[in-house]
Amino acid sequence: GAGVSQTPSNKVTEKGKYVELRCDPISGHTALYWYRQSLGQGPEFLIYFQGTGAADDSGLPNDRFFAVRPEGSVSTLKIQRTERGDSAVYLCASSLQGYSTEAFFGQGTRLTVV
Amino acid sequence: KQEVTQIPAALSVPEGENLVLNCSFTDSAIYNLQWFRQDPGKGLTSLLLIQSSQREQTSGRLNASLDKSSGRSTLYIAASQPGDSATYLCAVSGDYKLSFGAGTTVTVRA
Repeated sequence: GAGVSQTPSNKVTEKGKYVELRCDPISGHTALYWYRQSLGQGPEFLIYFQGTGAADDSGLPNDRFFAVRPEGSVSTLKIQRTERGDSAVYLCASSLQGYSTEAFFGQGTRLTVV
Repeated sequence: KQEVTQIPAALSVPEGENLVLNCSFTDSAIYNLQWFRQDPGKGLTSLLLIQSSQREQTSGRLNASLDKSSGRSTLYIAASQPGDSATYLCAVSGDYKLSFGAGTTVTVRA
């Protein structure tokens, strides 16, 4: 596709369940990012991939959060033992290289933990 | 840690008026600054990217300026239209990741 694609667009899950959020970046973009946006706030950085490796995962809030990008394209954000505080919009972005290049965002996945 | 502030938090103007949105940041060591638009329940749409070596960038009715030394950027939207109603976010990059402000929510009244 032409843009960054995220699935699902909405996810409702019960507290304690496991969820996976998928991101399909723009073709040819080596840099991929995950951000989390709470209501009324700007997005906050979670993790950055350059190629297949996580170059910076300092924004992941705790060890329940994990992300992979095994072939350097599609990425999956995984959340174990979900908590109500995990409810937010999870945004994925990609850019051509990372440094100084324009970032393009997907439509986001709205996660609601009940 | 980079702190990004956007003032005002909300703005309401009549159609046709020019919009001025402000963004300030605390650390001037940035690679670039990017302005985004976000419609309710949607993702972010990139509007303009200004590299740290540039002073301004223009696209149609949009013009963004950057004063890196003072830690400020301004987004101007000329002749506003109801379709410009959205939240506008600025973000700065000091390395590979973006630090965002909380946004300015704009309402353009017909």
